[in-house]
Amino acid sequence: EAQVTQNPRYLITVTGKKLTVTCSQNMNHEYMSWYRQDPGLGLRQIYYSMNVEVTDKGDVPEGYKVSRKEKRNFPLILESPSPNQTSLYFCASSLSPDSIYGYTFGSGTRLTVV
Amino acid sequence: AQSVTQPDIHITVSEGASLELRCNYSYGATPYLFWYVQSPGQGLQLLLKYFSGDTLVQGIKGFEAEFKRSQSSFNLRKPSVHWSDAAEYFCAVYGQNFVFGPGTRLSVLP
Repeated sequence: EAQVTQNPRYLITVTGKKLTVTCSQNMNHEYMSWYRQDPGLGLRQIYYSMNVEVTDKGDVPEGYKVSRKEKRNFPLILESPSPNQTSLYFCASSLSPDSIYGYTFGSGTRLTVV
Repeated sequence: AQSVTQPDIHITVSEGASLELRCNYSYGATPYLFWYVQSPGQGLQLLLKYFSGDTLVQGIKGFEAEFKRSQSSFNLRKPSVHWSDAAEYFCAVYGQNFVFGPGTRLSVLP
């Protein structure tokens, strides 16, 4: 089954403790992206990747890092999480950023930073 | 820069009633337009999309949307709502990049 898999689904952590949210897709998509969803703000793009070793900032990149060492994986790294990063995070992938097929989304990771 | 607005934060309709969710965008040219649905605890699922051609597009689950260039709108409609349609709906636009609207939460009364 074609899908985007995120882990973990739920995570509670303390301020400053580094964490990684994994994202993996099995569709051979070149384009991958991370979003955070906050009430009333919709989805805002954090980082995106056009292909292996090619990443770029989205609208809200501060406090996040990403890497794309292989095509299928696009982990999101929070080096020193803060409470304002408490949010629902989604990974998405597509053949290209303007793909007519739209994006395939993961099921989300709900992160709470205390 | 492009932007997307969804004027209605929350809409409540009775089961069987018709539905229209509004979406307006700002972009210098005709963008690609999408509607996604997010059921509680789930990721986003693509309902339908518009790129060119016929301005009335059909999607999954009985939804349709109409692109109106003169109004910069891409409203989502369904003639008869089912209880399972209760969810959050996001309009999205791809011009220079992919931008989502803030979402409209749909509640359905039995």
